[in-house]
Amino acid sequence: NAGVTQTPKFQVLKTGQSMTLQCAQDMNHNSMYWYRQDPGMGLRLIYYSASEGTTDKGEVPNGYNVSRLNKREFSLRLESAAPSQTSVYFCASSGQANTGELFFGEGSRLTVL
Amino acid sequence: KNEVEQSPQNLTAQEGEFITINCSYSVGISALHWLQQHPGGGIVSLFMLSSGKKKHGRLIATINIQEKHSSLHITASHPRDSAVYICAVRGSGGSNYKLTFGKGTLLTVNP
Repeated sequence: NAGVTQTPKFQVLKTGQSMTLQCAQDMNHNSMYWYRQDPGMGLRLIYYSASEGTTDKGEVPNGYNVSRLNKREFSLRLESAAPSQTSVYFCASSGQANTGELFFGEGSRLTVL
Repeated sequence: KNEVEQSPQNLTAQEGEFITINCSYSVGISALHWLQQHPGGGIVSLFMLSSGKKKHGRLIATINIQEKHSSLHITASHPRDSAVYICAVRGSGGSNYKLTFGKGTLLTVNP
């Protein structure tokens, strides 16, 4: 049982390049999330999806777009990367309409030069 | 906006010691999560609480809803417990999708 799988684990981009972080879960969860983790700060919500076909902005959505492709997959896209987006990104999922236990991916470390 | 404060920020212990990490929050919640993150690693959920107390092995989590406070205890600590422990609270009502995270407590257990 893989849980939550994120790819890639590491990526280096130049300013202005685009990329997509992929996330998939095999637990049949409705809710999926993208967070970023920066030194000295708590995890911050970028976007979330309460169910297939719906997405909503979190605390720090600027510069990002998301797509809930199906119930399993929730991708995060950086259209034009900026150095301020250098961070570790975590995808997470939970069941039971946002009231269940959280499951996190292993994280994706992104550096924007 | 819910403010989540953890204490201490850093904690160093000797193997075998009893550890307590505290979490306080400012606004009513529907649930509180304790998470563990090893250096350079992923994040694992340890507990989800909405009331009372839960125990898993050497880990115990308690929550006092009236005082808006939770504690994570580790009994007979071991070097493999060295990690960052993160408290996260889930909003209530229409905000129950939203988690607010503390900044974490870095625990180092020396042999």
